[in-house]
Parts: sequence; structure tokens; C-alpha cells
Amino acid sequence: NAGVTQTPKFQVLKTGQSMTLQCAQDMNHNSMYWYRQDPGMGLRLIYYSASEGTTDKGEVPNGYNVSRLNKREFSLRLESAAPSQTSVYFCASTKSGSGLKTYEQYFGPGTRLTVT
Amino acid sequence: AQSVAQPEDQVNVAEGNPLTVKCTYSVSGNPYLFWYVQYPNRGLQFLLKYITGDNLVKGSYGFEAEFNKSQTSFHLKKPSALVSDSALYFCAVRDVSGGGADGLTFGKGTHLIIQP
Repeated sequence: NAGVTQTPKFQVLKTGQSMTLQCAQDMNHNSMYWYRQDPGMGLRLIYYSASEGTTDKGEVPNGYNVSRLNKREFSLRLESAAPSQTSVYFCASTKSGSGLKTYEQYFGPGTRLTVT
Repeated sequence: AQSVAQPEDQVNVAEGNPLTVKCTYSVSGNPYLFWYVQYPNRGLQFLLKYITGDNLVKGSYGFEAEFNKSQTSFHLKKPSALVSDSALYFCAVRDVSGGGADGLTFGKGTHLIIQP
């Protein structure tokens, strides 16, 4: 199993450009998440999808949109990038419901985004 | 709203000595608590979790954590530190009672530095 994969690994954008960060998991997890990591601030939740077909805002959703394409894939789109969106973006997934593995989140390797 | 505090930005420990990384939390209901580790330029790796049951939880790489409900703490410990334990450690919480975002709330992280 590859676990959680993210593309691209690195990206540099100019202010106003758009891009989509891709995330896929092969663990048959129901729930998927997008976080951003900034120095000294930990990880903050941008959007999440509790199950296929549903998405909800997290703590810092402004400037982002998401799509849960199917059970495996959850993409994050920046429509008009701003320097404040310079960050490392992590996708995560978890098996919701009951069981020992419930709520453990598995993280991808991250996308380092710079907006100039 | 739920929150996590990691009061130390950095913890320095000599190799072979015991280590403690502190975490306190705030939730309105009962907590699910987690510790994650992040190595440079990598995603987060799950270490251990407290869901219910024994207050002392054992996890990966010899780490353990003690849930203390009265002090709302979940400190990470290891009896004998290794240089390879040097990394960034995150404590995270999820309110069992639900409501709001389904993701985890993370602390700001603690840099653990093990000196040879």
C-alpha cells in the first residue's frame, strides 16, 4: 500500500495564479482532510470530507475550495493564490466508524507551496 | 472549542536520559488524544493515542503517554532517549462529543533535541 500520496511535492506560484493539489489514499478510508502547516502554528484544518460526497469547512477555509472526487481522492484548489497561502500542505485520511484504528489519521508527505 | 497547548517550543535531553514532552488540552466533552512525530521534510507519523481505558498508553519506538483527566494533560514520555528521537512532536485532540469540524486540533509542536 502506498498510503496517502500527494502531488506535487513542490510548487512556486505567482500571486493570482491558480492550482490544484492532489491527494489520494489506498486504505479504503472514509474521511479525508487538508491541513496547512506554518512555523510556530502547528497544523490547521482547511477542509475535510467525512465521507464520499460531503465536504465541510475547517478552521481556515478562506481562499480554498475542495473536491471529493471519489472515495480515494480529495483535491484542494487555490483559485487566486496569495502570499499568505505560502505554506506546507498536508493531506490526511482516517477510517471513521468503530474499531481500533478509528480516528488515527494517516498523513501524506506534504506539498511545499511558495506564492511570490 | 477545543484547543491544545504545548508549553515548550524546544526540549533538550541528553542521550540515555528520560524525556518528557508536555501537552495540555481543552475540550467540552471527553477527549481523544494523539501524539504525532514529524521528521524534517516529512509528513506526520502516528505515535500513540488515548481513546478510553488505561491512562498509560504505549506506542511506537518505546514512547508512552499518560492521560490525566484532572490535570487535562497527556504528556509524552520515554525512559531512555535516543539521538534518533530528535524531531518535531505534535499533540492533538478530538472532542468525542463531536460537533464542528471532524478533524484534529493540533498543538504548535515541540522540537525535541537529543544530545549525544
